[in-house]
Amino acid sequence: GNSVTQMEGPVTLSEEAFLTINCTYTATGYPSLFWYVQYPGEGLQLLLKATKADDKGSNKGFEATYRKETTSFHLEKGSVQVSDSAVYFCALDRGSTLGRLYFGRGTQLTVWP
Amino acid sequence: SQTIHQWPATLVQPVGSPLSLECTVEGTSNPNLYWYRQAAGRGLQLLFYSVGIGQISSEVPQNLSASRPQDRQFILSSKKLLLSDSGFYLCACMIQGAGELFFGEGSRLTVL
Repeated sequence: GNSVTQMEGPVTLSEEAFLTINCTYTATGYPSLFWYVQYPGEGLQLLLKATKADDKGSNKGFEATYRKETTSFHLEKGSVQVSDSAVYFCALDRGSTLGRLYFGRGTQLTVWP
Repeated sequence: SQTIHQWPATLVQPVGSPLSLECTVEGTSNPNLYWYRQAAGRGLQLLFYSVGIGQISSEVPQNLSASRPQDRQFILSSKKLLLSDSGFYLCACMIQGAGELFFGEGSRLTVL
């Protein structure tokens, strides 16, 4: 089946620390992979995506590389800010026209000044 | 660009009461529409999706139902709420071929 497993939180970091949130997936076919972010009290927003193997998605200093050999899509940022505090969701789309996304459980990130 | 409106934003209801959450989409036509529930510590669960007017697919058996009376309107309902229906409900849309979900601001439901 299709599923996403992401690192359990919460993750607490000091400002300017390096961030990694692990995400691995199980899927048939050639899925697209996404990271969504949810700021406190809001809905989800797309952070970045990658549609094929070895693609790197990037946005706002965050990066994630689609690794087919390890079925992973880890989220990284070199220097986090307090404003990055949010819940991060990894997701996959198996590529059907239905657009059905499978989400991980989410990882809460808190950044302290 | 598309905008998704959800209301009410917050709702407190007694067990056994009915529910109606509404979602409308602006800025696009013929989108795929989705209802997700986010329960505490459990991530996002897809409840229903719709590819057109009157077309509803349910992902999990439950106490809720959905309807799509117009192209850009998606309604989540219940006749009798349960405590377990508490959660944060998110409406989302996907433009055909875009490969990206756009989410509304969410409706927080507390059942007492």
